Amino acid sequence: DTGVSQDPRHKITKRGQNVTFRCDPISEHNRLYWYRQTLGQGPEFLTYFQNEAQLEKSRLLSDRFSAERPKGSFSTLEIQRTEQGDSAMYLCASSPFGVAGETQYFGPGTRLLVL
Amino acid sequence: AQSVTQPDIHITVSEGASLELRCNYSYGATPYLFWYVQSPGQGLQLLLKYFSGDTLVQGIKGFEAEFKRSQSSFNLRKPSVHWSDAAEYFCAVALNYGGSQGNLIFGKGTKLSVKP
Repeated sequence: DTGVSQDPRHKITKRGQNVTFRCDPISEHNRLYWYRQTLGQGPEFLTYFQNEAQLEKSRLLSDRFSAERPKGSFSTLEIQRTEQGDSAMYLCASSPFGVAGETQYFGPGTRLLVL
Repeated sequence: AQSVTQPDIHITVSEGASLELRCNYSYGATPYLFWYVQSPGQGLQLLLKYFSGDTLVQGIKGFEAEFKRSQSSFNLRKPSVHWSDAAEYFCAVALNYGGSQGNLIFGKGTKLSVKP
């Protein structure tokens, strides 16, 4: 049973560029979450999917951010026109919705640095 | 609004000493509660969780936590700390939608250092 994987693990970009991150959840987990973690803080919720449907978005998710989960399997998070304030660790988690005692399992994260 | 407070930003304990990390939450309904640990460069690993039933829950690596509804607390404990326990610890609440979970709300974390 492989865990949640994220790609890339690190990304350095220049301000104004677009970046895309990928998350592969644990197979058969129908819920997928994105969180952002800045230095010295706990993770903050961005958005989540149940299968391919995006059910909730945080106010943190500005219009420069877009997430997709086209076939209910992997997900992508795109940030357009990156800003220095976007520098953070982006975490993905998956869980088996509907299972009693469901738990979110986290990937290793993608660390983004915007110069 | 729902929130999680971890009052201690940084704690240092000697190896072999006992440990208690504090967590208080603010949430109107019955919460789902979690403790995660994050080592440098690593993702979040679940230590333990409380959903219902026995308020003292056992987790991995010898950790336990006690849910106290009257104090809105879910403190993490370990009787004897090992050097490998040095990491950052996060308490989290999952929103409860009639038994179904929503997203997690995390505290700011407590960094644990272990002295030899």
